[in-house]
Amino acid sequence: AQTVTQSQPEMSVQEAETVTLSCTYDTSESDYYLFWYKQPPSRQMILVIRQEAYKQQNATENRFSVNFQKAAKSFSLKISDSQLGDAAMYFCAYRSAWAGTASKLTFGTGTRLQVTL
Amino acid sequence: DGGITQSPKYLFRKEGQNVTLSCEQNLNHDAMYWYRQDPGQGLRLIYYSQIVNDFQKGDIAEGYSVSREKKESFPLTVTSAQKNPTAFYLCASSIPQARVGRTEAFFGQGTRLTVV
Repeated sequence: AQTVTQSQPEMSVQEAETVTLSCTYDTSESDYYLFWYKQPPSRQMILVIRQEAYKQQNATENRFSVNFQKAAKSFSLKISDSQLGDAAMYFCAYRSAWAGTASKLTFGTGTRLQVTL
Repeated sequence: DGGITQSPKYLFRKEGQNVTLSCEQNLNHDAMYWYRQDPGQGLRLIYYSQIVNDFQKGDIAEGYSVSREKKESFPLTVTSAQKNPTAFYLCASSIPQARVGRTEAFFGQGTRLTVV
């Protein structure tokens, strides 16, 4: 079974600075998808960024980028120019690319990000 | 607008009672999921369904039941057998063929269940 580990329960960053959230995962599969979701105080889950394992290029979405290290099974999220609205819980998630019973998402325990002035 | 609707937003249940949480989607997604969220434990999968009339247990299915009679609907029943049902429940949907189109799951706004 796949597992996702987020070893940083809480992180803090000053506004306009850069912060990196860590995520590692364990899988025996070669083809899969990785995601970062944001959960603000409203508790609505919002997709931040996705990465396909077969792509070597790291995904980027505006101020958000990932460092995907497939061999190390590492998938960190970098937030540049942090804004107050970035304060939230961030979850890393794994999904098998096999279109069978393994299409479920497996989540890490989350990292709470605080943004200070 | 397409999306996932969960109702109610807040739900109170007396001990020993069954209660059903509603989840409806109009995204035309085949796959639907139920997750439970507790503080410090992330999201844990309760049940998921890839097609109508079929569903599989997730990691914490004991004390829960589901049905999938329509593509749009995936209700979750929290039974009296669930020992600690107070939690935040999230419903999600996605395209099961992960390589076709968007691969992520879309989430509802959640239901907060409290046992009183």
